[in-house]
Amino acid sequence: EDQVTQSPEALRLQEGESSSLNCSYTVSGLRGLFWYRQDPGKGPEFLFTLYSAGEEKEKERLKATLTKKESFLHITAPKPEDSATYLCAVQALAGNNRKLIWGLGTSLAVNP
Amino acid sequence: NAGVTQTPKFQVLKTGQSMTLQCAQDMNHEYMSWYRQDPGMGLRLIHYSVGAGITDQGEVPNGYNVSRSTTEDFPLRLLSAAPSQTSVYFCASSPDSKLTFFGQGTRLTVV
Repeated sequence: EDQVTQSPEALRLQEGESSSLNCSYTVSGLRGLFWYRQDPGKGPEFLFTLYSAGEEKEKERLKATLTKKESFLHITAPKPEDSATYLCAVQALAGNNRKLIWGLGTSLAVNP
Repeated sequence: NAGVTQTPKFQVLKTGQSMTLQCAQDMNHEYMSWYRQDPGMGLRLIHYSVGAGITDQGEVPNGYNVSRSTTEDFPLRLLSAAPSQTSVYFCASSPDSKLTFFGQGTRLTVV
């Protein structure tokens, strides 16, 4: 069964304390892995798309990496404004179509 | 350029009532979709459309209808609201099948 698991469920960091969020997946026919940020009361905001193992993408303090079984979202020297829920989604083949499988997210809190 | 606009932001319905959640995008995207987000369940696809006049069911379509008469608009209709439809609803649009832009959401409570 296609599945996406994010860990940890919640993470609390001090400002400047770097860490990583994990997204592990078991899907048939990976067509892409996506990272989103969601602030309370708002819709998810697109961050990155990764397509193949070894690929990396960076944006400000965030770097996303991809292996054949998981993706990491590395947060370097986080600031309080990085506090949000980070969602991972995997696009996989479903017959002739593609489907998105979502993880439950990691809630990140960065204390000043 | 407003992106994806959803209305209303909040709604309370009584069981059995019907209503339409509105979604409009001004980016000329072909692909639009509706999701619901529930605690512990993640985002689940209700319906999607790959272009005007074309719609298809997602993983939780029961109790909902959609139509796509124009590229810009993709309304979601609740036929007879039930407490199980209490959720936060998100509309999204993308230039292809990869989700890119989400609306701000509609928080629906069915009592």
